[in-house]
Amino acid sequence: NAGVTQTPKFRVLKTGQSMTLLCAQDMNHEYMYWYRQDPGMGLRLIHYSVGEGTTAKGEVPDGYNVSRLKKQNFLLGLESAAPSQTSVYFCASNHDGGSNQPQHFGDGTRLSIL
Amino acid sequence: GQQLNQSPQSMFIQEGEDVSMNCTSSSIFNTWLWYKQDPGEGPVLLIALYKAGELTSNGRLTAQFGITRKDSFLNISASIPSDVGIYFCAGNDYKLSFGAGTTVTVRA
Repeated sequence: NAGVTQTPKFRVLKTGQSMTLLCAQDMNHEYMYWYRQDPGMGLRLIHYSVGEGTTAKGEVPDGYNVSRLKKQNFLLGLESAAPSQTSVYFCASNHDGGSNQPQHFGDGTRLSIL
Repeated sequence: GQQLNQSPQSMFIQEGEDVSMNCTSSSIFNTWLWYKQDPGEGPVLLIALYKAGELTSNGRLTAQFGITRKDSFLNISASIPSDVGIYFCAGNDYKLSFGAGTTVTVRA
């Protein structure tokens, strides 16, 4: 079972470049999430989606955009990368977002902005 | 997001020892979750707690959902080297709020 798959696993960008992180899940989950993880701060929610075609802002949405064109995919975009966006990015999904539905995480994308 | 305070921030433990960590919040949650993250991987769910006062075990792990719904603790009994990692608590109220993590290092 693949579960939640993130690509790429590593990337180095220069300030001002753009890129898209891809998250794919094969569990037919409705809800998908993007987090960033920084030292000493746990995981912070960037954006999330409650279903195909929908997106919503999380705790730290500035500088990021997302799209959910297909149920199984959730894309995170950086239009103009900044050094402050150096982080480890995690995607997660769950069935219906209910409080009794634990989220399943991918293995992360390590992004460095120079 | 809601503020979760997780302690301790880090710990060194002797193999075979029991260890405890806890999480508190200023807000009420419907569900408390405990995740473990190994180096280079994403968080993996260890235990989920759905009811205030609930005490749940998963092998050597035991976790409790506080009566006030504002806190939870995780115990690991008889530590082994593979217990090394970062443990996160998370409160779930349709969106997850995470603690900052407890880094566990085991001395062999």
